[in-house]
Amino acid sequence: QVTLKESGPVLVKPTETLTLTCTVSGFSFSNARMGVSWIRQPPGKALEWLGNIYSSDGESYSTALKSRLTISKDTSKSQVVLTLTNVDPLDTATYFCARIDRWLGDFDYWGLGILVTVSS
Amino acid sequence: EIVLTQSPGTLSLSPGEGATLSCRASQSVSSGYFAWYQHKPGQAPRLLIYDTSRRATGIPDRFTGGGSGTDFTLTISRLEPEDFAVYFCQHYGSSPTFGQGTRLEIK
Repeated sequence: QVTLKESGPVLVKPTETLTLTCTVSGFSFSNARMGVSWIRQPPGKALEWLGNIYSSDGESYSTALKSRLTISKDTSKSQVVLTLTNVDPLDTATYFCARIDRWLGDFDYWGLGILVTVSS
Repeated sequence: EIVLTQSPGTLSLSPGEGATLSCRASQSVSSGYFAWYQHKPGQAPRLLIYDTSRRATGIPDRFTGGGSGTDFTLTISRLEPEDFAVYFCQHYGSSPTFGQGTRLEIK
C-alpha cells in the first residue's frame, strides 16, 4: 500500500525558510518510473505544481519558484524534503506531496496535505 | 504554459442524476497526459482517470473520461452520495498544470 504523509511547521514568518517533509511508504525510491512531487493550493485557488524528484535524473522545478525552491531526498528514511526560502504571505497554502508516474503523467497517490500559513 | 479552465465552477445535482464536467485547455494538448481527480475535505486527492479515458484502480465504471485537443470531459452517471466532491483536471506537459476545480454539490 502506497502512502505519503506531509509534516512540518504550520506557521512560518515572512522571510523565513519553510522546510516540509514527505514520508513515503509502499514504493521504492529506486523505481525510475516513479517520482515524488510537491504541489500546493492557496486558499480558494487552483493547485500549483512546485517540482519533482526522481531516483535517477534529479529534480525539476516550477519556473516561478525555481530561485527559492529545493527538493531533496533521503532514501534511507524514505523522505522527500521541500525547502522554500524567503517565504511571503502569498506562499500560504496547503502543501501536498504526491507520487508521480512519469510514463503516464499523473499523480496516482497523494498525501493529506498540510496547511502552512505565512504570517508575522 | 497551458491553462486549464474548468466549467461549471459549481454543479448542483441530485443523487441518481448524471453529471458532465468540462475542462478546456488554452491550446491543444496530448490526450495521453490528461487526468481527473476527486478531492473531498480532509482527504487526499484521488486519481480517477488517467490517459484521458482510463479509469484508475478501483474506480467504478460510472466515471468516464473523454475528449481530445482542447476539450476534455468527465462524466459521472447515476450520482451516488459519495460522489459529491471537488473535481479537478490535470495535464502533464512541460510542467504539470491543474484546472481550478468544479464543486459538485447536492441539490
